[in-house]
Amino acid sequence: KQEVTQIPAALSVPEGENLVLNCSFTDSAIYNLQWFRQDPGKGLTSLLLIQSSQREQTSGRLNASLDKSSGRSTLYIAASQPGDSATYLCAVRLSGGTSYGKLTFGQGTILTVHP
Amino acid sequence: EAQVTQNPRYLITVTGKKLTVTCSQNMNHEYMSWYRQDPGLGLRQIYYSMNVEVTDKGDVPEGYKVSRKEKRNFPLILESPSPNQTSLYFCASSRGSYNEQFFGPGTRLTVL
Repeated sequence: KQEVTQIPAALSVPEGENLVLNCSFTDSAIYNLQWFRQDPGKGLTSLLLIQSSQREQTSGRLNASLDKSSGRSTLYIAASQPGDSATYLCAVRLSGGTSYGKLTFGQGTILTVHP
Repeated sequence: EAQVTQNPRYLITVTGKKLTVTCSQNMNHEYMSWYRQDPGLGLRQIYYSMNVEVTDKGDVPEGYKVSRKEKRNFPLILESPSPNQTSLYFCASSRGSYNEQFFGPGTRLTVL
């Protein structure tokens, strides 16, 4: 059974810092991995999708890397801003089997960026 | 605007009173799914649909029903809600089962 772990559970940083959020998964037979952000009382916003054949994806100040063989992904946020404060969720999608598109989520990292 | 919508956003009900949470997407996506989010348990898949009239169980389907009669709609039905179904529910859709998933704003359900 796929398990996804995110470390740290919470992170508080001053504005302007570069930071790294970690995600690990137990079954390396993934099809892709998706990073989301969740704001309080709101839905999930997709940030980046990395296919299993890719090493990284970039969008603006965000960069996500994937090391499938070691079961790890990192989300790098450059020059953090207070508006980045949210919960960041990592989710993996297994390839094949009967999972058919099911995302298995980590518990999330609660990020607070203070001015 | 491309989006997934859910209604209602908030609902308080009593045990045993049937309810339906609607989900609609305007992106012509084939794949749709329901998740519930609970503290300490994270997000778990309830049901999914790969296309019209094709649905299947996720990890926690007990106490829920779904239907997919039209491509854009995927309602979640609780025939006899119980307090352990108090949760935050999300509907999601994607072009195909392995594509990027887009989520609705969530429905917070409380069953008394």
